Amino acid sequence: GQQLNQSPQSMFIQEGEDVSMNCTSSSIFNTWLWYKQEPGEGPVLLIALYKAGELTSNGRLTAQFGITRKDSFLNISASIPSDVGIYFCAGLNFGNEKLTFGTGTRLTIIP
Amino acid sequence: NAGVTQTPKFRVLKTGQSMTLLCAQDMNHEYMYWYRQDPGMGLRLIHYSVGEGTTAKGEVPDGYNVSRLKKQNFLLGLESAAPSQTSVYFCASSLLRSQPQHFGDGTRLSIL
Repeated sequence: GQQLNQSPQSMFIQEGEDVSMNCTSSSIFNTWLWYKQEPGEGPVLLIALYKAGELTSNGRLTAQFGITRKDSFLNISASIPSDVGIYFCAGLNFGNEKLTFGTGTRLTIIP
Repeated sequence: NAGVTQTPKFRVLKTGQSMTLLCAQDMNHEYMYWYRQDPGMGLRLIHYSVGEGTTAKGEVPDGYNVSRLKKQNFLLGLESAAPSQTSVYFCASSLLRSQPQHFGDGTRLSIL
């Protein structure tokens, strides 16, 4: 089956720093999604990308759908304490109900 | 404004016991899903449903059964719980195929 490699697995940054994480696949996807999960809660959708090359922002978050359709990137600018959590990428193909999830990037902000 | 609601939030079972997890969504979504989340393994699809009265197997269906008798509800059953089924279970729903899925807050299940 399809595999999504997400990196880095964890990040320790100081408040105010920018964050970059990425997700790569062995095969193409038609849709890329980025979710955030906080302790004790379910994943919450942050950004959805539907077109190769698409760059979409949601506040301080910016995500890009890679040209090859095999990767996606998420950037967070000027991190704040509430950005702490686990960020998951997920891929979806047309006509397929099944999301394929990455293993997550755990973001920790050092005071 | 409930979205996807899962009950119960926590449960401890003994090996061999059975139980049912309930998922309810109030968004009139056609598609519903059950995932399990284990440390270091991300979310894995157990079963899903593309509409009322339908179910299909996901990536890790063994040991679980599901039913979708009403459009808004999707039930996950464990007939004979095993310690390997200790996990956090998430339900999700989406309006249409290939649309983003919206998740509940999870059910933490421990099997002793």
